[in-house]
Amino acid sequence: GNSVTQMEGPVTLSEEAFLTINCTYTATGYPSLFWYVQYPGEGLQLLLKATKADDKGSNKGFEATYRKETTSFHLEKGSVQVSDSAVYFCALSADYKLSFGAGTTVTVRA
Amino acid sequence: DTAVSQTPKYLVTQMGNDKSIKCEQNLGHDTMYWYKQDSKKFLKIMFSYNNKELIINETVPNRFSPKSPDKAHLNLHINSLELGDSAVYFCASSQAGDSYEQYFGPGTRLTVT
Repeated sequence: GNSVTQMEGPVTLSEEAFLTINCTYTATGYPSLFWYVQYPGEGLQLLLKATKADDKGSNKGFEATYRKETTSFHLEKGSVQVSDSAVYFCALSADYKLSFGAGTTVTVRA
Repeated sequence: DTAVSQTPKYLVTQMGNDKSIKCEQNLGHDTMYWYKQDSKKFLKIMFSYNNKELIINETVPNRFSPKSPDKAHLNLHINSLELGDSAVYFCASSQAGDSYEQYFGPGTRLTVT
């Protein structure tokens, strides 16, 4: 079946530090890949997506590239802010459903 | 304008009771979902409807019964609530197809005592 393995947290960083969250997947076929973010007390919001191999998704300074050869979709941001503190979920979409990773809690200190 | 809305936001009830959660989307999507998020933030799909027809029914106890009266609404009814049902339940919607993002509601925090 389809599954997503995501770097475990929690991750604590200082403002302006580099953030990377590893994500690998197992799927039959060619799924679409997503990063969602959940701020405290809120629902999930799409951060970025990629629908085919070598696509790069980007938004709000975050980037991730769909790597078919390594079945990975790692999330990166060059300089985090306190407002980036949230839970980040990697997900794949196949057969009309999202399969999520376990989520990574990121805390950015001023 | 709220894209995906859920009511209630909080629900506290006792074991054995029956409760419902309502979801509405105004995005014109034809596919809607219910997800359960446990205390460790793990998210798992429960149900998915496309054009009012059930297309995904994961291994969920049959105490949970979804109902889609029209494409814009997907409700979740839970019978004989148990302690283990305590979680946050999220509704979502999307256009049909795996490349489309899902839009999530704010969640309903269910606490069973």
